[in-house]
Amino acid sequence: QQQVKQSPQSLIVQKGGISIINCAYENTAFDYFPWYQQFPGKGPALLIAIRPDVSEKKEGRFTISFNKSAKQFSLHIMDSQPGDSATYFCAASRTGTYKYIFGTGTRLKVLA
Amino acid sequence: SQTIHQWPATLVQPVGSPLSLECTVEGTSNPNLYWYRQAAGRGLQLLFYSVGIGQISSEVPQNLSASRPQDRQFILSSKKLLLSDSGFYLCAWSGHQNTEAFFGQGTRLTVV
Repeated sequence: QQQVKQSPQSLIVQKGGISIINCAYENTAFDYFPWYQQFPGKGPALLIAIRPDVSEKKEGRFTISFNKSAKQFSLHIMDSQPGDSATYFCAASRTGTYKYIFGTGTRLKVLA
Repeated sequence: SQTIHQWPATLVQPVGSPLSLECTVEGTSNPNLYWYRQAAGRGLQLLFYSVGIGQISSEVPQNLSASRPQDRQFILSSKKLLLSDSGFYLCAWSGHQNTEAFFGQGTRLTVV
């Protein structure tokens, strides 16, 4: 119930293409869903986050789509660039628990 | 603005030696503090979290311990390191509402 399942494990996309990473959760009490971007040897950095009262949130080239009934959410990176090559983690948390449950990560490589 | 400092960046320690990793947060008060471990190519495993001074919650049984001697200071320790303690250790903080977590730059620990 506490798991967040993330797929794919790795992803290769051509420059200018769309990168899509998916996550699924079981615990319907989760109410905050952030995405983190991590470059090698660095700590994860918050990229974008969504709460279940909206179905989509867009910030620049990054969009989160949220499907509450399916208990799934996804990250879309439009016009993917080589500089987007990194590992992406989805996460989920529930108000009052102070804990963040992370997916296992997706290693994205954008080819020039 | 808030910043999180974590040191050292890299550490090589022999088996059986002690460990002390330190994390401090600036620009906020009474943060939630976290220690995560990231094994190579894997996700983030929550080790400890703290909602206040002297309050430590352990997520997994292990060879490590954590302490919070001051409001914005979080320390990860071990009396005797094992080979399996090698990994990338990340400190993070968050506010007390259900908000994003911010990560430090990590410590790469290699036990030899």
